[in-house]
Amino acid sequence: GQNIDQPTEMTATEGAIVQINCTYQTSGFNGLFWYQQHAGEAPTFLSYNVLDGLEEKGRFSSFLSRSKGYSYLLLKELQMKDSASYLCAVRAPGEGTDKLIFGTGTRLQVFP
Amino acid sequence: ETGVTQTPRHLVMGMTNKKSLKCEQHLGHNAMYWYKQSAKKPLELMFVYSLEERVENNSVPSRFSPECPNSSHLFLHLHTLQPEDSALYLCASSQDLVGRFDEQYFGPGTRLTVT
Repeated sequence: GQNIDQPTEMTATEGAIVQINCTYQTSGFNGLFWYQQHAGEAPTFLSYNVLDGLEEKGRFSSFLSRSKGYSYLLLKELQMKDSASYLCAVRAPGEGTDKLIFGTGTRLQVFP
Repeated sequence: ETGVTQTPRHLVMGMTNKKSLKCEQHLGHNAMYWYKQSAKKPLELMFVYSLEERVENNSVPSRFSPECPNSSHLFLHLHTLQPEDSALYLCASSQDLVGRFDEQYFGPGTRLTVT
């Protein structure tokens, strides 16, 4: 079966660092995406990892360990606008094409 | 307009109604997707189209009927829905199918309520 686990909710303080974990068990693996989704808005792309290691992009970094079926999204210097849901998605082989399998998302609340 | 647009943004319909959701992408992409997002559930892929041809139907009930008349437009026709079909329906597009690295661009979604 396909299973992606993320914490449901997290809270953090403005200016702090937060790490959102994602573990996955899928039939095949061709990469892992992180998306940000503000309430009532479209998910927007944050990062993509296909090889093990850390990818850094400004205040956001994403890490992947394929052997452990594990990824995390690291958010530094948190701002109020970072309050959103963060979706972990694995790209896995499908019937006609690869497809994205999403976790339920982690709702992050940033407090002043 | 830029990006991926969806209309209507909100829809309330009875179980005997017929309605359609519309998605339009202005990115020149070749692949389009319909997803369902229910409360406290993961995004679920419903349909995938590539160059107007359906390449994946993720065991979706026949009361949902997709249509892709060209690579810029995607419709989801709805009829005799059930209350459990109430959800946010998201459209997405990507340059090509997710067989290569291609991030998907999502529309804002249609919030559907079935009464």
